[in-house]
Order: sequence, then structure tokens, then C-alpha cells
Amino acid sequence: DPKIIQKPKYLVAVTGSEKILICEQYLGHNAMYWYRQSAKKPLEFMFSYSYQKLMDNQTASSRFQPQSSKKNHLDLQITALKPDDSATYFCASSQEGRAGQLYFGEGSKLTVL
Amino acid sequence: GDSVTQTEGQVALSEEDFLTIHCNYSASGYPTLFWYVQYPGEGPQLLFRASRDKEKGSSRGFEATYDKGTTSFHLRKASVQESDSAVYYCALSVDSNYQLIWGSGTKLIIKP
Repeated sequence: DPKIIQKPKYLVAVTGSEKILICEQYLGHNAMYWYRQSAKKPLEFMFSYSYQKLMDNQTASSRFQPQSSKKNHLDLQITALKPDDSATYFCASSQEGRAGQLYFGEGSKLTVL
Repeated sequence: GDSVTQTEGQVALSEEDFLTIHCNYSASGYPTLFWYVQYPGEGPQLLFRASRDKEKGSSRGFEATYDKGTTSFHLRKASVQESDSAVYYCALSVDSNYQLIWGSGTKLIIKP
């Protein structure tokens, strides 16, 4: 059974719309992350959360907003979508004290038309 | 600044060939090195890590030795199989920082 669940696996959106990517992890980890992968940038770090608090934000645009309603949830809201936002978005988690040892979900592939 | 360099963007081998993927790093503090593998349609998976000079990490027949002197963590496998076809990423954490610094990835293609 997958330990990190990402929903939806595939989604298509129109330019200017808004989408939410869902991530739940069942590994008991306290740190969660969002990464983006596209043809232009193989793996791009976006956000890190620890104990539901934002630790690091490397996303220049405020259109990307992580939301953590529970310890094991870290959703990603993307507003005013652009075609350049088309990518696969990966959620990941790690155990406290084991920085760098990430467990990734299978990704949500977003296509913006 | 801190960085990871993977020189091979793509490597094409035949089954049972020896594999080497080069990884060099630059770190301003205490480094921990990682190798991740990403199969098509999946997220990256951790292969192994190393944090001490001359420490060897290994998994699934792959191995790499952290060399502080040459700032390297090259990935090797003695005999590749078709199932090894994937993208391999070298990554760096400095001072146990949560944020990983990723190499650009090396796509391994196993020719039939």
C-alpha cells in the first residue's frame, strides 16, 4: 500500500483557474515537502513543513500556497494557473532528525491549457 | 554556494556492463550525500546515503563511496540489468538541512 497518497494523479486545468493538490502521508513523519518536476527543471524544491509549520519556501510566486490542516496532510493550492505551471508535483516526507531521507509520493501531473 | 554536479546527462549501456555515474559536490558546511533513483511514472526513491569520509553506501547492487578529498560520491554497479533503467539523482544536504540540493539527474538506458 502506498504510504504517501497524492490526489489526483492526473489533472487538466484551464489558464486562470485554481486547483488543489492533495497529499497525505501515513509514515508518521513530521516533515513534509512539495517538489515540482518539469522538462525545464528536473527536480525543483518548493516548500518544506515541519510540525505543520513552514520551514522553507523556495517558490517565488504567491500563487502557490501550501495548506496543512493535519500533521500528516500537506496540500498545495495553485491559483491563477499558467501553462508554465504544467509539471508533475511530488509530495514527500521525512522523519524528524533524518533530513534528506525523503519518501516521495507518485506525483500529480498537472497540465494547464 | 552549495552545489551538486552530475556530468552525465544520459548513459546508454548493455546488460551486464559496468556502470559509473559521476557526482561531485561543493558544500559550505558538513555534507551528507544521497543517491536517489526514479523509475518512469514514480517519485524518486532513496538508494542510500553517506556522511563520513570513505563511508560506502550500497543498495540493490549499487554502491558509492563518499570521498571528502575529491568531493565525490560516484555511483557504481558491476553488472546492470534492464530493470535498472531509470533516472539517478545525486543529492546533498549541508549541516543536516532539510532542503536537499539535487544534481541534474542521469538517465540510464539499458540497450537490448
